[in-house]
Amino acid sequence: DTGVSQNPRHKITKRGQNVTFRCDPISEHNRLYWYRQTLGQGPEFLTYFQNEAQLEKSRLLSDRFSAERPKGSFSTLEIQRTEQGDSAMYLCASSLVEDHYEQYFGPGTRLTVT
Amino acid sequence: AQKVTQAQTEISVVEKEDVTLDCVYETRDTTYYLFWYKQPPSGELVFLIRRNSFDEQNEISGRYSWNFQKSTSSFNFTITASQVVDSAVYFCALSEASGDSNYQLIWGAGTKLIIKP
Repeated sequence: DTGVSQNPRHKITKRGQNVTFRCDPISEHNRLYWYRQTLGQGPEFLTYFQNEAQLEKSRLLSDRFSAERPKGSFSTLEIQRTEQGDSAMYLCASSLVEDHYEQYFGPGTRLTVT
Repeated sequence: AQKVTQAQTEISVVEKEDVTLDCVYETRDTTYYLFWYKQPPSGELVFLIRRNSFDEQNEISGRYSWNFQKSTSSFNFTITASQVVDSAVYFCALSEASGDSNYQLIWGAGTKLIIKP
């Protein structure tokens, strides 16, 4: 098992552009979570999936953000019309439904919006 | 409302010293879970421990130990004989087991630990 992987690791984009990040969870994990972390802060919950169903979205997730998990395996997080305030580390985590308290995190994608 | 406070923003000690990272939490639930995660410079959050609210027994794992005290709503983390490789940001987190947020981790702001050689 290779753990949770995220791509790309770093992304620099200009304000107004769209970006998409990918997360590959641990293979047997049916829950997948997205968090955002800014410098000096703990992660903030964005959304989570159970299999392919998106079960909850934080109010932090504006309409410019969309996440999918089409086949219940990998997930993508898209940010449209990026703003400088979107600059952050985007973390993905996965867990089993029966043990959703134990979340395993990926290395994150660091987004810089210039 | 639930909240996690890590009052120590940064701690710096010399290698081999013992160091304790404080965590104070707030919750109205009687059933909840507490966590510690380590985030090294590489950025990946590493799960260290989970405790449930019904188990106040302290835990030791090698050089790491955790002191859970419900009376003071604290879940402190001690590293004994610290090593340079322990340098990282350490996060304490809380998850409630009831209501709509039984999947969310509520995080503290983290404590940056610097171990000097």
